[in-house]
Amino acid sequence: EDKVVQSPLSLVVHEGDTVTLNCSYEVTNFRSLLWYKQEKKAPTFLFMLTSSGIEKKSGRLSSILDKKELFSILNITATQTGDSAIYLCAVSTDSWGKLQFGAGTQVVVTP
Amino acid sequence: DAGVIQSPRHEVTEMGQEVTLRCKLISGHNSLFWYRQTMMRGLELLIYFNNNVPIDDSGMPEDRFSAKMPNASFSTLKIQPSEPRDSAVYFCASSSGGTGPRFEGGYTFGSGTRLTVV
Repeated sequence: EDKVVQSPLSLVVHEGDTVTLNCSYEVTNFRSLLWYKQEKKAPTFLFMLTSSGIEKKSGRLSSILDKKELFSILNITATQTGDSAIYLCAVSTDSWGKLQFGAGTQVVVTP
Repeated sequence: DAGVIQSPRHEVTEMGQEVTLRCKLISGHNSLFWYRQTMMRGLELLIYFNNNVPIDDSGMPEDRFSAKMPNASFSTLKIQPSEPRDSAVYFCASSSGGTGPRFEGGYTFGSGTRLTVV
């Protein structure tokens, strides 16, 4: 059975701190790994990673994939209260875009 | 681009009633995914379509659930009869299909339908 495990389940940090979120996976047919941010409503796309060792960056967020060790990390530097959200990791396992989601990490950034 | 549009936004119904959730895809997208989100189980894929054809419905929990895609831009998810354990947020998402080089943006999710069955 395909599995995507995220850790920690939740964390609370102060504004300005750096946060590292983890996602490990065991799937039979890995195609890509995706990160989403979910605030009050629908998840919004952050990154898609397909190759090991290549960092993707968007502002204060960055992510990298290790296909040998089967994990990815999402970093958020200089956190702001607007970064408070659930961060979801998902793995694509077929050519149609089928995604297996992890349970998510709830991040709370306090002023 | 209006995004993925779901209706209704909220639905409260009594156990045993039929519920129909609706989803309009983004123009030009050809893959459609129905997900359910609960605190206990997170985001679960129920069924997905490509070019109006169901590809995988193994996530549909029971025969009480059915989904259709009568045309390229619209889909429905029906629950009949509904039960309290069906209470969840139901999302649909669309994409331009596949996870090859063209698939750079992930899905676009609708805002969801919050279903409460009492």
